Amino acid sequence: GQNIDQPTEMTATEGAIVQINCTYQTSGFNGLFWYQQHAGEAPTFLSYNVLDGLEEKGRFSSFLSRSKGYSYLLLKELQMKDSASYLCAVRDRDSNYQLIWGAGTKLIIKP
Amino acid sequence: DVKVTQSSRYLVKRTGEKVFLECVQDMDHENMFWYRQDPGLGLRLIYFSYDVKMKEKGDIPEGYSVSREKKERFSLILESASTNQTSMYLCASSRGDRTREQYFGPGTRLTVT
Repeated sequence: GQNIDQPTEMTATEGAIVQINCTYQTSGFNGLFWYQQHAGEAPTFLSYNVLDGLEEKGRFSSFLSRSKGYSYLLLKELQMKDSASYLCAVRDRDSNYQLIWGAGTKLIIKP
Repeated sequence: DVKVTQSSRYLVKRTGEKVFLECVQDMDHENMFWYRQDPGLGLRLIYFSYDVKMKEKGDIPEGYSVSREKKERFSLILESASTNQTSMYLCASSRGDRTREQYFGPGTRLTVT
């Protein structure tokens, strides 16, 4: 079946680095997305990976290993405004290319 | 900037009422989606649409219907609201190319009493 797993909650310190993992099982993998969602707000797009490797965008990077069914989002130089939920979503060919969503990881940044 | 708007941020309805949630996007996107978001669960797709008057069922369509009469507008209808439909409802849109990211509206928090 289809499954996306992420840790429920993580805590990190301002200025530090944090890695949020996402593992997935889908029959027709066709790309992986990361979104950020602040409390009470809409999810906003962060990154997209379809090939293995690391994609870097400023303080945020996303990594994908298709053979392991694994991705991570790396956040560097953490700021208080990075406190949010981070959602992993996999596009699945066998589900009419729709996104299968993880439950999200709530990231708490402490001073 | 892409803008997706939803008609209400908060709604309170009674069991059995018919409820309309409206979503409008201003970027001429072909695809539009309705999700619900509940604590501890990932976003769940209710319905989506690839074009005007086209609709496809998502994972949890029971108790819902949709309407897309114009490209920019996608409506979600709860035919007879029930308490288990209390949730956050998120509308999203994307360009026709399936590699494109989805843009979300601010959400409607619906409470059914």
